[in-house]
Amino acid sequence: EVQLLESGGGLVQPGGSLRLSCAASGFAFSTYAMSWVRQAPGKGLEWVSTIINSGGSTYYADSVKGQFTISRDDSKNTLYLQMNSLRGEDTAIYYCAKPKAGTWLDFDYWGQGTLVTVSS
Amino acid sequence: DIVLTQTPLSSPVTLGQPASISCRSSQSLVHSDGNTYLSWLQQRPGQPPRLLIYKISNRFSGVPDRFSGSGAGTDFTLKISRVEAEDVGVYYCTQATDFPKTFGQGTKLEIK
Repeated sequence: EVQLLESGGGLVQPGGSLRLSCAASGFAFSTYAMSWVRQAPGKGLEWVSTIINSGGSTYYADSVKGQFTISRDDSKNTLYLQMNSLRGEDTAIYYCAKPKAGTWLDFDYWGQGTLVTVSS
Repeated sequence: DIVLTQTPLSSPVTLGQPASISCRSSQSLVHSDGNTYLSWLQQRPGQPPRLLIYKISNRFSGVPDRFSGSGAGTDFTLKISRVEAEDVGVYYCTQATDFPKTFGQGTKLEIK
């Protein structure tokens, strides 16, 4: 059974940093691209970032480019999102997502999400 | 970026009646590999999104057959043949043909 378990969210002051983690199980993690998607309170879904493999191919939404860094540790089956210089508009539930085999962005499983609140 | 426009944004439906949601793309979603990566997600209140339909018309594992998808190119439709109470939530179309991955605004399905 595929499981994605996000952690690391919380309350942070503007300008602060957080690192989110997504622990994956039930599939061959190292062979899949992995992504983060966020959802601001009461709003729709916004793709944030994708990492293709540990070789380093990464993609970011323009809204977070230069601010967030996606990474992975295949030995731990874990995906990360380092978020710096956080602003109020980064407040959201952050989901990690796994794609269908052979694709990068065609998500079939989503985690439960972790809430990030940026506020003083 | 590919813009996905959903209509309607709100859909009050009587239990047992059909529902339909449209998704129009600003450009063709046909990938260079020949596939069209248009999916439909369901998000029940307080829950993460859940995949319903992928590549236009393929039901994901465990999805009831009252859900169906159709369309081609830039115009797509999600249909629920007979709405049940558990179908309440927000439905999103999303494309995986190109970066950045984008989503429709969401359609809120509610019971009359």
